[in-house]
Amino acid sequence: QITLKESGPTLVKPTQTLTLTCTFSGFSLSTSGLGVGWIRQPPGKALEWLAIIYWNDDKRYSPSLKGRLTITKDTSKNQVVLTMTTMDPVDTATYYCAHRYCGGGSCSNYFDYWGQGTLVTVSS
Amino acid sequence: QSVLTQPPSVSGAPGQRVTISCTGSSSNFGAGNDVHWYQQLPGTAPKLLIHDNNHRPSGVPDRFSGSKSGTSASLAITGLQAEDEADYYCQSYDSSLSGYVFGTGTKVTVL
Repeated sequence: QITLKESGPTLVKPTQTLTLTCTFSGFSLSTSGLGVGWIRQPPGKALEWLAIIYWNDDKRYSPSLKGRLTITKDTSKNQVVLTMTTMDPVDTATYYCAHRYCGGGSCSNYFDYWGQGTLVTVSS
Repeated sequence: QSVLTQPPSVSGAPGQRVTISCTGSSSNFGAGNDVHWYQQLPGTAPKLLIHDNNHRPSGVPDRFSGSKSGTSASLAITGLQAEDEADYYCQSYDSSLSGYVFGTGTKVTVL
């Protein structure tokens, strides 16, 4: 059974750096093809993909946020960490981590399991 | 920002059929990348509804179906039920961005 859970601060001040941790179970990020991504959703708004890290440590970032984001993994701890610098009130959102589908010897670019999300508020 | 465009809202009476469009471009759908759909009930995380254009994960009712043609895709809900009232998002991979893209989201209201 695959589960993911996000953790981190609920409140950060403008200009600070946000660090979020996704702790997962039911799979290993050392398995070929797998990936864990981060997606956020401002209150009342649409989903926005942020970043993804793959089993081979390949990383991809949203072009609109590249430069502010860093994604890393700790395979031994089953964790993926997202860092976002220079936080602003517009970054207030629920942040989700999600599992990229791989199965039956193939992978596809969608997320089949999601964490419950964590709401991060940016305010002084 | 969203690369895939959806109507903000659609509505229908119980039992009716509704469709949600998702318009992409040559760098996502047009490049051969598949469309996937998620359902988000109020206050919950998104749930995978349709993957690879028209495949339903186990447990998803066959009232939900998807299709893709050219640079557009659509989700259809037949026999609309009260429990289908939710937000729906399309998603794909964008070859130019080398990343994932989501739609603007559509709120389905059951009248």
